[in-house]
Amino acid sequence: QKEVEQNSGPLSVPEGAIASLNCTYSDRGSQSFFWYRQYSGKSPELIMSIYSNGDKEDGRFTAQLNKASQYVSLLIRDSQPSDSATYLCAVLRGGTASKLTFGTGTRLQVTL
Amino acid sequence: DAGITQSPRHKVTETGTPVTLRCHQTENHRYMYWYRQDPGHGLRLIHYSYGVKDTDKGEVSDGYSVSRSKTEDFLLTLESATSSQTSVYFCAISESVVSSYEQYFGPGTRLTVT
Repeated sequence: QKEVEQNSGPLSVPEGAIASLNCTYSDRGSQSFFWYRQYSGKSPELIMSIYSNGDKEDGRFTAQLNKASQYVSLLIRDSQPSDSATYLCAVLRGGTASKLTFGTGTRLQVTL
Repeated sequence: DAGITQSPRHKVTETGTPVTLRCHQTENHRYMYWYRQDPGHGLRLIHYSYGVKDTDKGEVSDGYSVSRSKTEDFLLTLESATSSQTSVYFCAISESVVSSYEQYFGPGTRLTVT
């Protein structure tokens, strides 16, 4: 079992729809969770961080965390073509100090 | 990419030659990291630093060494480059006190070993 798992996609959603990206993790001691967006040929860009169970909203983005189910998700409302990118889930595992473990990413395509 | 630069941005080198990549930050962050990114593997940690002269290995450290003599600079050296080290290399920084280990990435270096 991978430490952080994501569906590689591509996930295709029409413009204006809600995109739902999912991530599961194996270490129950994981403390902090992050979503990065990476455009092709560019570096990862931090878009959301979440530390406690529940929802956290920032503009069109909502991160959801369920530690009991070891599941974290990212919702993108009113999806735009500019949201087309690969989304990386990252987890700060327990006992690993400052080291993050990354999933392999989900490619999102927003179609016109 | 603000506050983090990487050099060179692109490099082609031959098998067996040593290569050094540089990461420079202006944020005064304590932690610095080197990752490589390959299709199907995602981002994998090579080495990281938790202070000047304090470094430790990541999950794919074989064939790589690092040094950090100043807060702002973190160097990654490929001792003797191999074709398997062809990859995109990213540097990242974080500061635990302010941002709970949120990491911010540099623009990357594309390395090709022929």
